Amino acid sequence: GQNIDQPTEMTATEGAIVQINCTYQTSGFNGLFWYQQHAGEAPTFLSYNVLDGLEEKGRFSSFLSRSKGYSYLLLKELQMKDSASYLCAVLDSNYQLIWGAGTKLIIKP
Amino acid sequence: GAVVSQHPSRVICKSGTSVKIECRSLDFQATTMFWYRQFPKQSLMLMATSNEGSKATYEQGVEKDKFLINHASLTLSTLTVTSAHPEDSSFYICSARLGTRENTGELFFGEGSRLTVL
Repeated sequence: GQNIDQPTEMTATEGAIVQINCTYQTSGFNGLFWYQQHAGEAPTFLSYNVLDGLEEKGRFSSFLSRSKGYSYLLLKELQMKDSASYLCAVLDSNYQLIWGAGTKLIIKP
Repeated sequence: GAVVSQHPSRVICKSGTSVKIECRSLDFQATTMFWYRQFPKQSLMLMATSNEGSKATYEQGVEKDKFLINHASLTLSTLTVTSAHPEDSSFYICSARLGTRENTGELFFGEGSRLTVL
């Protein structure tokens, strides 16, 4: 079966750095997405990785290792507004998006 | 980025009535739109893939007669929850893919519609 694993919840301090991990087992791979979702709102796109390595975009970076079936989202200089759920999703061989359950990130002052 | 508009954002209805939710791509043509539902503290669950001009493809376990999807144009898809019951209360979200599936396939989401069935 297809499976995406990410921690249920993480807590971090304002101004710090946090890394949210995602591991996946899917039938084929055509890219991995990270989305941010604030409570009661729709997800918004953060990043897309299809090749191995680190993609940096401002305070957010995303890393992919296809051989390990592993990705992480790195958030730097955390702000209170970063409190949200972070969803990992993989595009499988049929170009279907397989979603993780999301990681709820709690930022404390 | 591309804009997807979903309406209504909130709807409360009586049990047994039908509710229609619209999803529009405002500045691009979307041949494919997706409908999700999300229960509290859970991830998105894909209900169906809506293809313009053809029948929607439903995920296993989703009743096609209960959740009617129509993709009449390249910018509009509708989800109708027929004979709604309290267990249908959920957050329904649509998304549209910009470009073809062979490219990044980035999804743009509507604002979501919170349905409460009394």
